Amino acid sequence: DQQVKQNSPSLSVQEGRISILNCDYTNSMFDYFLWYKKYPAEGPTFLISISSIKDKNEDGRFTVFLNKSAKHLSLHIVPSQPGDSAVYFCAASSQGAQKLVFGQGTRLTINP
Amino acid sequence: EAGVAQSPRYKIIEKRQSVAFWCNPISGHATLYWYQQILGQGPKLLIQFQNNGVVDDSQLPKDRFSAERLKGVDSTLKIQPAKLEDSAVYLCASSLVPTSGGDPDQETQYFGPGTRLLVL
Repeated sequence: DQQVKQNSPSLSVQEGRISILNCDYTNSMFDYFLWYKKYPAEGPTFLISISSIKDKNEDGRFTVFLNKSAKHLSLHIVPSQPGDSAVYFCAASSQGAQKLVFGQGTRLTINP
Repeated sequence: EAGVAQSPRYKIIEKRQSVAFWCNPISGHATLYWYQQILGQGPKLLIQFQNNGVVDDSQLPKDRFSAERLKGVDSTLKIQPAKLEDSAVYLCASSLVPTSGGDPDQETQYFGPGTRLLVL
């Protein structure tokens, strides 16, 4: 039973354009959502988070949107840069930022 | 500030052998996590410690996996005996704030580079 799903295994975007990564969840108890970024041979690195009391959180080029009624969140990267090429994991929790449930990941490739 | 350290980085063993992984969290971090990441999947939580006590080990296969954090700092994760399906990356993470309450923004988990295990 996959509670957090990232249905796109990969995404290719041109440098300078917007990258949109999507994530769906099924557990209505989740109230905190995070995005992690992972480079090869490294551990995941925290990118941005959002609480269920908000519908948007912004940090520089990164914005996360939460649609609670649709149980959907998305990560927007504008403008996309070559260094953004990585695997992005969506994660959710019903206990703050603890006991995270991760999605399968989306591999983002930024083309020059 | 030094990050989460893990060793070894890579390990190849045969099935039925035993293996151990070591993790040193960020200094001062009370909470430590072990995750298993199978190829093509996201990390799955195996066990969570607060200081030297277990908070959650509900997803740890206790017939073959064990973990300890004796002095509330370093931790080891052991598999005995290993099976083919244990091939994965084992990630250690740590966070600052203890389990009870707290600001989620203060509970951010910081991950180590992982140990890649191949069971033949």
